Amino acid sequence: TQLLEQSPQFLSIQEGENLTVYCNSSSVFSSLQWYRQEPGEGPVLLVTVVTGGEVKKLKRLTFQFGDARKDSSLHITAAQTGDTGLYLCAGDSGGGADGLTFGKGTHLIIQP
Amino acid sequence: GAGVSQTPSNKVTEKGKYVELRCDPISGHTALYWYRQSLGQGPEFLIYFQGTGAADDSGLPNDRFFAVRPEGSVSTLKIQRTERGDSAVYLCASSSPPAGSNEQFFGPGTRLTVL
Repeated sequence: TQLLEQSPQFLSIQEGENLTVYCNSSSVFSSLQWYRQEPGEGPVLLVTVVTGGEVKKLKRLTFQFGDARKDSSLHITAAQTGDTGLYLCAGDSGGGADGLTFGKGTHLIIQP
Repeated sequence: GAGVSQTPSNKVTEKGKYVELRCDPISGHTALYWYRQSLGQGPEFLIYFQGTGAADDSGLPNDRFFAVRPEGSVSTLKIQRTERGDSAVYLCASSSPPAGSNEQFFGPGTRLTVL
């Protein structure tokens, strides 16, 4: 069974601070996705990383895929209250249209 | 809108009853997925359809759970003899392979409460 461990589970910081959340596994994934989910809604895709060592930027968010394609990180610069939400990483092991394996998520709260 | 829609948004039922949850995917998306998300957890894969057929149903917890997609578009997740442990948010997602990176688009979910 493939598992994705996300850390920290909960994070509360002040607006303007930087933060990094992690997604780790002992398994290799063909791609890894990061989603953000707000209460009462489904997850919304932020980014997909495919190549080992890949770095993608989405405004103040920087995503990195580990060289061995087993782990990933999400770094947020100058966090804003609108960044509050549940951040989920999800791995795809098959390289095609398969069910994703999700981590438990990081609950992020940005305080004004 | 053009996103994935799910009905009902909330369903309250009694233990032992039968329920059906509906998913309407993004038009043209051939792949459809069902996930279950319990409180404080990430989504857990249940079943995946490619067209009308179930390509992978390895995530269904037991034979009380069944899903269909008869015309390759709308899908229904059916739960027989519901138990309190079935209470969760049931999420549907669709994608349009070959997507390479398997990007899935999720609906808002159906919150199922079994009393």
